[in-house]
Amino acid sequence: DAGVIQSPRHEVTEMGQEVTLRCKPISGHNSLFWYRQTMMRGLELLIYFNNNVPIDDSGMPEDRFSAKMPNASFSTLKIQPSEPRDSAVYFCASTLTVGGRHYGYTFGSGTRLTVV
Amino acid sequence: QQPVQSPQAVILREGEDAVINCSSSKALYSVHWYRQKHGEAPVFLMILLKGGEQKGHEKISASFNEKKQQSSLYLTASQLSYSGTYFCGTEEGSGGSNYKLTFGKGTLLTVNP
Repeated sequence: DAGVIQSPRHEVTEMGQEVTLRCKPISGHNSLFWYRQTMMRGLELLIYFNNNVPIDDSGMPEDRFSAKMPNASFSTLKIQPSEPRDSAVYFCASTLTVGGRHYGYTFGSGTRLTVV
Repeated sequence: QQPVQSPQAVILREGEDAVINCSSSKALYSVHWYRQKHGEAPVFLMILLKGGEQKGHEKISASFNEKKQQSSLYLTASQLSYSGTYFCGTEEGSGGSNYKLTFGKGTLLTVNP
């Protein structure tokens, strides 16, 4: 298995531009999570999907952030317009959640976003 | 509610032992432990469930005291490859249907020769 695949690995953009981050979860996993990691705040959960449906988006900072999961094999996180304080590493993670069974998360390699 | 990890950092010589603690003010159903090396993604180590037993993975094991909402990670006879930042992730609630994890700020472990 190729693992969780994120693209791009690095993104440098100017303030005010739109940024789209992409994630392909592990085949067969039905839960997908977007996290943001910074030195100050650590790993913060932004949004969580189960069976392609957004379950909890309480961590999305503001209306500039949006996320979609049109099918089981693809998700996007969009920031429009981007601001310097959005600079961080964004991780996508997936896992299997079924019948109360719990498994570990598999994280993608992350996207390092720099907004200048 | 973000769990609190201690210590924030620890430096060991190869072969020494370490304990990393994770505590929450909320009732927990499960605790996950991950290790992240610099510039890489976090990697899953183990999961401990409410009512479950202590888990082990080679020389790394963990315990979960659900009454105190605390978990500890034990690293025995540390190796150079154990260096990295260790995170606990907690799943709040009693029913086990939450699934989302809240991560602590991490413990930086450095193992020197």
